[in-house]
Amino acid sequence: NAGVMQNPRHLVRRRGQEARLRCSPMKGHSHVYWYRQLPEEGLKFMVYLQKENIIDESGMPKERFSAEFPKEGPSILRIQQVVRGDSAAYFCASSQARGVVDEQFFGPGTRLTVL
Amino acid sequence: AQSVAQPEDQVNVAEGNPLTVKCTYSVSGNPYLFWYVQYPNRGLQFLLKYITGDNLVKGSYGFEAEFNKSQTSFHLKKPSALVSDSALYFCAVSVSGGYNKLIFGAGTRLAVHP
Repeated sequence: NAGVMQNPRHLVRRRGQEARLRCSPMKGHSHVYWYRQLPEEGLKFMVYLQKENIIDESGMPKERFSAEFPKEGPSILRIQQVVRGDSAAYFCASSQARGVVDEQFFGPGTRLTVL
Repeated sequence: AQSVAQPEDQVNVAEGNPLTVKCTYSVSGNPYLFWYVQYPNRGLQFLLKYITGDNLVKGSYGFEAEFNKSQTSFHLKKPSALVSDSALYFCAVSVSGGYNKLIFGAGTRLAVHP
């Protein structure tokens, strides 16, 4: 059973471009969480999605950021018109169910660098 | 507001000695507490969790953690450190609300010296 997969692992964008980060959850998992890790900081919650639904996006900036988890295919975190402050590692995690006892499995992350 | 504090940026310990990585939390309601480890350029790996029950929780790779409600702490421990334990350790608390939204501490870098 493959773990959580994220691609690309590294992404370089110039200011003003768009960044698309993909996350394929573990097989059988229908819950996806996205977190952002700034240099020398802990992970910050961004958004929680179930298939075709955004459940909690309270940690996601209101502008330029969006997330989706379609019925088929990976979850996508999209950042429009990137700025240098968006440079960070973005991790997704998946779980089988939504309860607090359900362990989240993390992907290897996408490291975004904005030039 | 829910929060997690890891008061030490770095912990240094000699191989074979016991180690402790500290974590305190602030939540309203019952806390659900987790420890994760991160190796360079890797994602987080789950070590252990406290949901309810016995205050001493045993996890992966010989790690354990003790939940102390009166001190609102959840310190990570290991009786005998290995050089391979050197990594970044994160404490996290779940903000209950029907799903597992994790609030992370800033992390503690553990360095185990031969």
